[in-house]
Amino acid sequence: QQQVKQSPQSLIVQKGGIPIINCAYENTAFDYFPWYQQFPGKGPALLIAIRPDVSEKKEGRFTISFNKSAKQFSLHIMDSQPGDSATYFCAASRRRALTFGSGTRLQVQP
Amino acid sequence: IAGITQAPTSQILAAGRRMTLRCTQDMRHNAMYWYRQDLGLGLRLIHYSNTAGTTGKGEVPDGYSVSRANTDDFPLTLASAVPSQTSVYFCASSEILGREQFFGPGTRLTVL
Repeated sequence: QQQVKQSPQSLIVQKGGIPIINCAYENTAFDYFPWYQQFPGKGPALLIAIRPDVSEKKEGRFTISFNKSAKQFSLHIMDSQPGDSATYFCAASRRRALTFGSGTRLQVQP
Repeated sequence: IAGITQAPTSQILAAGRRMTLRCTQDMRHNAMYWYRQDLGLGLRLIHYSNTAGTTGKGEVPDGYSVSRANTDDFPLTLASAVPSQTSVYFCASSEILGREQFFGPGTRLTVL
């Protein structure tokens, strides 16, 4: 059972564009929703995280939007740069280990 | 500060052999985890530990075992490796179970 569904699988944008990655979850008991960034050959690194009592959180060029009623959350990358090219994973947890989405491979073209 | 170290970096293993992947953290985190990463499937939890002396099963525990004798070390053992265990394995840790996790650099394992 895939509890966290992520889309799209891959995404190509031009420099300066705003890529949006979406995730949907099934378990309403989840109470922590992080996003991880992974570069080739490296481990995932925490990018930004949100709790369900907040509808939006911004950290630099990265924004999470959270819709509790729809059980969806998304990552927006403002003014994207070629250095943002990486694989992004959403995840969710409820005081246990994270359940990850399947990942989105983002390519930002110069 | 090293964070999380994993060894070996990569390994080619014959099917049926026993293998232990090592993971050490220096952040004094209570919780530790093992994930495997396969193309198109994201990261899947194998086993986790909330604190030294306790372990729990994740989504894909079959064929793997773990131990947590102390806070810093969390080895993952494949008792008899099979080709389907070919994957990249990541160890992670967090101060609180299920919260901000820090990942190691990974071990690429190939079982032939």
